[in-house]
Amino acid sequence: SAVISQKPSRDICQRGTSLTIQCQVDSQVTMMFWYRQQPGQSLTLIATANQGSEATYESGFVIDKFPISRPNLTFSTLTVSNMSPEDSSIYLCSQTVGETQYFGPGTRLLVL
Amino acid sequence: GIQVEQSPPDLILQEGANSTLRCNFSDSVNNLQWFHQNPWGQLINLFYIPSGTKQNGRLSATTVATERYSLLYISSSQTTDSGVYFCAVRKRGGTSYGKLTFGQGTILTVHP
Repeated sequence: SAVISQKPSRDICQRGTSLTIQCQVDSQVTMMFWYRQQPGQSLTLIATANQGSEATYESGFVIDKFPISRPNLTFSTLTVSNMSPEDSSIYLCSQTVGETQYFGPGTRLLVL
Repeated sequence: GIQVEQSPPDLILQEGANSTLRCNFSDSVNNLQWFHQNPWGQLINLFYIPSGTKQNGRLSATTVATERYSLLYISSSQTTDSGVYFCAVRKRGGTSYGKLTFGQGTILTVHP
């Protein structure tokens, strides 16, 4: 299994501001993943955070809006920039152990 | 991309009842996982089951890969089983290692 922690667990932010979410995993992994879950919706992959290289973004997500850092093999950050109410979601960090994908507890973001 | 359809979208049970949740997918997969998202938003891994049958306590799952569907069985349901059940798959041969495509989920409510 995997132990994944995220900070903050929740936040309320004003539009136009930015929030950085931290993710810590308990084992060294080449790739970490960031997902978004909008209210009442399913999960969607935002990007893959690769250690030592640029993150790979899925269609519909751009680096300027969701910059990602991956300074080492157990840590990553996702920034939600210039927030609007449409960014209100749960943001989840994920890693794969063997063939199984595990998710962190999520960061609940409300943008006013 | 691969399509994942879950049914039913909503399910209401009395405690002690049994239920079957279904997941249909549109292409060959090399990863299929079932998750339970509890009311606090935590995604709990239930099964990694790209094929075959597995059981864990009151829960069991069967994936028939050749027919592109998976079933999750919940027996003797309890109120703590309430939440959203997600099926997620990774397309066989895909280049995005960690990209799980999620279904829309089944919202399960178990009444005492």
